[in-house]
Amino acid sequence: EVQLVESGGGLIQPGGSLRLSCAASGFTVSSNYMSWVRQAPGKGLEWVSVIYSGGSTYYADSVKGRFTISRDNSKNTLSLQMNSLRAEDTAVYYCARGLNGYNGNFDYWGQGTLVTVSS
Amino acid sequence: EIVLTQSPATLSLSPGERATLSCRASQSISSYLAWYQQKPGQAPRLLIFDASNRATGIPARFSGSGSGTDFTLTISSLEPEDFAVYYCQQRSNWPGTFGQGTKVEIK
Repeated sequence: EVQLVESGGGLIQPGGSLRLSCAASGFTVSSNYMSWVRQAPGKGLEWVSVIYSGGSTYYADSVKGRFTISRDNSKNTLSLQMNSLRAEDTAVYYCARGLNGYNGNFDYWGQGTLVTVSS
Repeated sequence: EIVLTQSPATLSLSPGERATLSCRASQSISSYLAWYQQKPGQAPRLLIFDASNRATGIPARFSGSGSGTDFTLTISSLEPEDFAVYYCQQRSNWPGTFGQGTKVEIK
């Protein structure tokens, strides 16, 4: 059974750093297109970052230069290192697996982890 | 960045009625459009990918159509569990973008 479990969220001051993790089971992270998608409270969905199976990475302009997506093949996990956090980064962060053969569509999502950036 | 505009913002319907949701792209995205359902406190669930393909386990009452810039999600007969927020999403260009959502509520 495919499962994604995020962790690492919490309350952080503006300018601070946080690292989110997504533990995967039932499939191999490194063989799939994986993404982080966020949702600000009461708002819609925003694609944050993606890592392809080949290792290429892309970022939304709103996080470029501040966030880094990576994966740990030995632990089968996906991570998001978030630096220089801003109030507007406050959101639930979901990790999501790309639908096989249809990069950009997501067939499995984690339950999300809440990041709150506030002083 | 491709902008997706969903309409209406809210759809008030009764169980058993037909729901028609619209998503318009700011430029052609071919058929690279997906639909997701999200219930409060839950992650989104993929319903339709590439405009008209139902995802695994999605009931046949959900159908998608369209290409280019205009897309439609149809729920043929609303079940109680279908009342939720629906998002469209394009994968034609990075960054992939989502629409702002349509809330289907019980009338």
